[in-house]
Order: sequence, then C-alpha cells, then structure tokens
Amino acid sequence: NAGVTQTPKFQVLKTGQSMTLQCAQDMNHEYMSWYRQDPGMGLRLIHYSVGAGITDQGEVPNGYNVSRSTTEDFPLRLLSAAPSQTSVYFCASSYTGRGSDEQFFGPGTRLTVL
Amino acid sequence: AQTVTQSQPEMSVQEAETVTLSCTYDTSESDYYLFWYKQPPSRQMILVIRQEAYKQQNATENRFSVNFQKAAKSFSLKISDSQLGDAAMYFCAYRSVEYGNKLVFGAGTILRVKS
Repeated sequence: NAGVTQTPKFQVLKTGQSMTLQCAQDMNHEYMSWYRQDPGMGLRLIHYSVGAGITDQGEVPNGYNVSRSTTEDFPLRLLSAAPSQTSVYFCASSYTGRGSDEQFFGPGTRLTVL
Repeated sequence: AQTVTQSQPEMSVQEAETVTLSCTYDTSESDYYLFWYKQPPSRQMILVIRQEAYKQQNATENRFSVNFQKAAKSFSLKISDSQLGDAAMYFCAYRSVEYGNKLVFGAGTILRVKS
C-alpha cells in the first residue's frame, strides 16, 4: 500500500493563480480531509469528505474548493491564490473519521504564494 | 467550539530521561476522543497514542503514556527513556463524538532531545 499520497511536494504560485493539490489513498477509506499547518497554529481543517459525492467545510474553508468523485481521490483547489494561503497542506484519510479512528496523513505540500 | 491548548512551545530533555508535554482542552461534552501526534523533521504526521474519554485507565504505548484528568480537562503525554528519535513537534488533538468528523489540533510543542 502506498497509503496517502500528495502531489506536488513543493509549489510556488503568484498571487491570483489557481492550482489543484492532489491527494489519493489506496486504503479504501471513506473519510478524507485537508488541513493547513501554519506556525503557532497547529493544523486547521479546511474541508472534509465522508464518502464519494459528499463534502463539507471545516474551520478555514474560504478560498478553497474540493470535490470527491471517487473514494480514492480528494483534490483541493485554490481558485485565486493569495499570500495568506502560503502554508503546508496535509491530506489525511481514515475509515470513518469518527471515534478513535486513526487518521493517516500524506507527506504534505509546501505552498508559497508570492 | 472545542479548543485545544498546548502551553509549552518548546521543551528539552536529556537522552534517557523522562519528559511530560502538557495539553488542556475546552469542551462541554462528556464523551470524546483525544490523540497525540508526532511530527518529526520529515514532516510526516504519526499517531503516538489515543484515549477514549469514557475510559478511566490511562493509555500506554511502550515508552509513551498519558495522564488523562477528565475533570481538569488535561491530557498530558509522558515520554520515558527519551531517545534522539523522539525529537519532533508533538500535537495534541481532540475529536468530538457529536461532531466526530472534525479533529481539532493544538498549536504543538517542539521537543528537543539532548545527547
């Protein structure tokens, strides 16, 4: 199993550009989520999905879109990048996303917006 | 909304000694789940230990154990016989039963291990 994979590992964008961060998992997990990690703030939930075709907002959803057309993939779209979106982005998945269910994290994408 | 507070931005420990990382949380719920995650310099997030609030017994995983004080809303992580490989950022996290799809993280504590 590859687990949770993310591409790219690093990305530099100019303000106003758009891009998609890719996330895939091969563990047949129903639950997938996106976090951003900023210094002094821990990880904050952007969007999550409890299954194909179902998505919902987390704590900091503004400026980001997601869709879940398959169980395996959960891409995160930045529509018009802003310097405030400079961060490290993590995708995570788990069987249910509830209870004591462990979340498995991808290796992260470091995004810089100039 | 639930909040998680890690009041120690940085901690240091001598190799082979014991260190305790603090975590407090704010909730009005009686049932929930707590986690400690480790993030080494590789950036990979790794689950260290988890605790169900309805269980009074403190969770342990080898050299890692927790001190769960439900009334005080405290969930500290004890690392015994510290090793160089324990050097990392440690995050405490809370998951509600009612809003179970959302994991709330603290700001993290950097642990340095001295040889």
